[in-house]
Amino acid sequence: SQQGEEDPQALSIQEGENATMNCSYKTSINNLQWYRQNSGRGLVHLILIRSNEREKHSGRLRVTLDTSKKSSSLLITASRAADTASYFCATDPNTGFQKLVFGTGTRLLVSP
Amino acid sequence: IAGITQAPTSQILAAGRRMTLRCTQDMRHNAMYWYRQDLGLGLRLIHYSNTAGTTGKGEVPDGYSVSRANTDDFPLTLASAVPSQTSVYFCASSPGPGDGELFFGEGSRLTVL
Repeated sequence: SQQGEEDPQALSIQEGENATMNCSYKTSINNLQWYRQNSGRGLVHLILIRSNEREKHSGRLRVTLDTSKKSSSLLITASRAADTASYFCATDPNTGFQKLVFGTGTRLLVSP
Repeated sequence: IAGITQAPTSQILAAGRRMTLRCTQDMRHNAMYWYRQDLGLGLRLIHYSNTAGTTGKGEVPDGYSVSRANTDDFPLTLASAVPSQTSVYFCASSPGPGDGELFFGEGSRLTVL
């Protein structure tokens, strides 16, 4: 069963625009993470936000977490063509040992 | 720095055959994981290991087995492959045992005919 569901499934924007992706999940969590996957490659970790945090920044990335709504958002500012990839949220359901549960992902296309 | 190495990169396999996907990490991470990725379903956890000598079942363990004889290696075996096991398989590791980012391999694309 999928814990996280990303929205939208696909997003197409122009370079320089901001991209926002959302993630909803079902159970309480220890942390939520965002990953990026380029076509045909493995996933790469972007950012981790813990359940007691509300916002976190890393370069052009901004992540928010609302545990009351069981949702998170990933904002990529000033998008570049190189940001074209699939983005996944992953939740740690707080079962003692981290076993991340991934969502189905958002495909982002940034056009020059 | 290699990180996580998976082999083979790609394989076509006849149904009923036995197959082992190899995974080796050089980061001395305690935790290792196997996920499968299918279109529209995201990644699903097959098996995991939180330290050498121990393994556990994930969300979709049926038809798969793993072993963790040492820290570095975490092979995934399909005893008798079926077409529904056609997928892209990713091995990952993390320092463990608590939370933290996962480091992924580049994947093994398996087709079962």
